[in-house]
Amino acid sequence: EDKVVQSPLSLVVHEGDTVTLNCSYEVTNFRSLLWYKQEKKAPTFLFMLTSSGIEKKSGRLSSILDKKELFSILNITATQTGDSAVYLCAVKPNTGNQFYFGTGTSLTVIP
Amino acid sequence: GAVVSQHPSRVICKSGTSVKIECRSLDFQATTMFWYRQFPKQSLMLMATSNEGSKATYEQGVEKDKFLINHASLTLSTLTVTSAHPEDSSFYICSAFPSGGASYNEQFFGPGTRLTVL
Repeated sequence: EDKVVQSPLSLVVHEGDTVTLNCSYEVTNFRSLLWYKQEKKAPTFLFMLTSSGIEKKSGRLSSILDKKELFSILNITATQTGDSAVYLCAVKPNTGNQFYFGTGTSLTVIP
Repeated sequence: GAVVSQHPSRVICKSGTSVKIECRSLDFQATTMFWYRQFPKQSLMLMATSNEGSKATYEQGVEKDKFLINHASLTLSTLTVTSAHPEDSSFYICSAFPSGGASYNEQFFGPGTRLTVL
């Protein structure tokens, strides 16, 4: 059965801390892994990863994929209160249009 | 950029009534749209895949007679929650998957509809 698991489920940090969010997957015929940030409404796209070892970076956020060990991490450096959100990981297989979502990590950044 | 709208954004209804939620892709065509449900502090749960011109594909455990999906055009899918009950209260999110194309790795989410059944 295809599945995506994220850890930790929730995290509380202070502003300025660095956090690492984990996503592991077991999906047949992997195509890509996507990270989303969800605040009050629908998820917003952060990164899409298809190749191992290539870091994607956007400001204080970065992500990398390990296709051998079947996981990805999302790093956020110098966290700010605006980073507080649920971070979702999703995996897309090669066949079909379905995306498999993980459980999400709820991040709270306190001043 | 690709924009997906949902209407209404919030609805409160009495138990036993039916509620229709619309999902529209505003600047692209989508032969496939997804309907998700999200309970507080939980991840997105895929309910069904809506295919233009054909029947929707429902995930295991989702009652197709209760959650009616119609994908009548390449830009519109509707989800009707029939005879809604308090346990159907949730955040319903649609996403659209562009036809034919370059962005086959990405789906675009609507803003969601919060349903509260009293």
